[in-house]
Amino acid sequence: GDSVTQMEGPVTLSEEAFLTINCTYTATGYPSLFWYVQYPGEGLQLLLKATKADDKGSNKGFEATYRKETTSFHLEKGSVQVSDSAVYFCALSDPVIQGAQKLVFGQGTRLTINP
Amino acid sequence: GAVVSQHPSRVICKSGTSVKIECRSLDFQATTMFWYRQFPKQSLMLMATSNEGSKATYEQGVEKDKFLINHASLTLSTLTVTSAHPEDSSFYICSALRAGGPGEQYFGPGTRLTVT
Repeated sequence: GDSVTQMEGPVTLSEEAFLTINCTYTATGYPSLFWYVQYPGEGLQLLLKATKADDKGSNKGFEATYRKETTSFHLEKGSVQVSDSAVYFCALSDPVIQGAQKLVFGQGTRLTINP
Repeated sequence: GAVVSQHPSRVICKSGTSVKIECRSLDFQATTMFWYRQFPKQSLMLMATSNEGSKATYEQGVEKDKFLINHASLTLSTLTVTSAHPEDSSFYICSALRAGGPGEQYFGPGTRLTVT
């Protein structure tokens, strides 16, 4: 079945460092790909998404490009801030296989940014 | 907008008792809500899809008689863990789809259930 694999955390960086969180997926159909962020004490929030190959999702300085050839959707940010400390989840939605709007999540990566 | 709340945020119960968790969409109507379970350091696993006014659809391997889901209104879905056992201890998260919206799920903050 469909699955998502993220790099294991926790990840600890200094402020203004470059961030990459790797995400790869396995899917039978043509999924949409998502990054969600969960700040302490809050629910998951959609950070960005891409619905087809070569699409780039971006938001709040974060970017991820849908790479069909490598089945990847790595999250990047050029200069992280302390406020970016959170848990990040990669996810896919494969309507043909999973049904509309159903999400399959990676295990989450905890990111801590030190001042 | 698009806020989803869960109550309680934490609950501890004795083995054999039942626990009800509420999921509310505070500022929108949700025809569909989802219930997830998350084990430590693991991903969110979809348990069931709840549609207002109809029976929930459970994922394979989820016991529908143990995890009772009721979506009685467009703003409220409840998950009842019946005859809870220590292995049911987990983090339960709900999400809601806004009626007429683009299909984005809005997530609640989760409920930590501990069964002793």
